[in-house]
Amino acid sequence: QQPVQSPQAVILREGEDAVINCSSSKALYSVHWYRQKHGEAPVFLMILLKGGEQKGHEKISASFNEKKQQSSLYLTASQLSYSGTYFCGTFDMRFGAGTRLTVKP
Amino acid sequence: EAQVTQNPRYLITVTGKKLTVTCSQNMNHEYMSWYRQDPGLGLRQIYYSMNVEATDKGDVPEGYKVSRKEKRNFPLILESPSPNQTSLYFCASSFVSHTEAFFGQGTRLTVV
Repeated sequence: QQPVQSPQAVILREGEDAVINCSSSKALYSVHWYRQKHGEAPVFLMILLKGGEQKGHEKISASFNEKKQQSSLYLTASQLSYSGTYFCGTFDMRFGAGTRLTVKP
Repeated sequence: EAQVTQNPRYLITVTGKKLTVTCSQNMNHEYMSWYRQDPGLGLRQIYYSMNVEATDKGDVPEGYKVSRKEKRNFPLILESPSPNQTSLYFCASSFVSHTEAFFGQGTRLTVV
């Protein structure tokens, strides 16, 4: 079963922040995050293996609440290069429908 | 260079003509999987394989077959393609299921 992502799409101005949420009706155990640029393959950003874990990658970070079966991806001071579709994935490699992020100058 | 290679990148075919999309990885990964990507639906898992000779259905397996006779290769077979299988397909591999996944470049399939 695919995890559920929200929002489906978000438009930002450079420098603004965004949060993308991922939730599952079943236990997550671990969460992966990927970014896909238009016309390209998804690329790994980070993986969270334990509840309560938080990680960062440049100005992109994530948290994982295992009890709530949720994860959130935080994009801080967004840059044009952050544009793309973000996917969360579960331990059994199911992915959400994606969140399309557009960063405008 | 560590990579997942899919072929072909683009394919136009006719309804009912059997086709195979190949996927090969050079990272000695145990886990491989196939996805189709359609607008608004994200990446939906078709089949996955946890190791050689071990394959299992994902969420949308109807109309597809796979095999895993060697660790590095995981071909996707459409024995009788139909227009509703027109999609963008990705192969992915990882050391095990809950580790970083590497994706192939994608195969854009059109069935007319």
